[in-house]
Amino acid sequence: DGGITQSPKYLFRKEGQNVTLSCEQNLNHDAMYWYRQDPGQGLRLIYYSQIVNDFQKGDIAEGYSVSREKKESFPLTVTSAQKNPTAFYLCASSITSGGINEQFFGPGTRLTVL
Amino acid sequence: AQSVTQPDIHITVSEGASLELRCNYSYGATPYLFWYVQSPGQGLQLLLKYFSGDTLVQGIKGFEAEFKRSQSSFNLRKPSVHWSDAAEYFCAEVDSSYKLIFGSGTRLLVRP
Repeated sequence: DGGITQSPKYLFRKEGQNVTLSCEQNLNHDAMYWYRQDPGQGLRLIYYSQIVNDFQKGDIAEGYSVSREKKESFPLTVTSAQKNPTAFYLCASSITSGGINEQFFGPGTRLTVL
Repeated sequence: AQSVTQPDIHITVSEGASLELRCNYSYGATPYLFWYVQSPGQGLQLLLKYFSGDTLVQGIKGFEAEFKRSQSSFNLRKPSVHWSDAAEYFCAEVDSSYKLIFGSGTRLLVRP
């Protein structure tokens, strides 16, 4: 089955630690996205990548980093510089980055900072 | 700044009743609009989308939405709600940089 997988589903980290969230897709999509979801705030774009080895900051990139070494993979690192990292993180992909293309979403990772 | 407004944070309807979720967009004479649904702790699933053409758009699970340019609205409707429709619903619009902007969501509760 084609789709997007995110792992782990739940993640706990101590303050001051970096943590990496995994996102893999087998849809052969060029574009991939990371969103953060907080209660009552909808989804906010962290980073996006239009093609391998290229990515751009979204609206709330501070404290996060990404890489896009393979078409299938777009891992997100939450660094210790992110002041309030507890949230639900969603990865998405689309055929291209053109806005009229539907974005397909993974099941999400819930990160809790202890 | 470009924005998508969903004025209702929560809506409760009885099973079998009709449903309308409101969405207002702010950008563009010909906007690209989406409705997504999210079950608790899950990702988002596309219900329907509007790019151009017929202003009444049919989607999955019996949902439809009507684009009204004069009101800058793209409201989601369903004639008869099922208990399994309880979820959070997000309206989204493509902005000038071809990125998706999401509304803050409407949580639907269904009374038995």
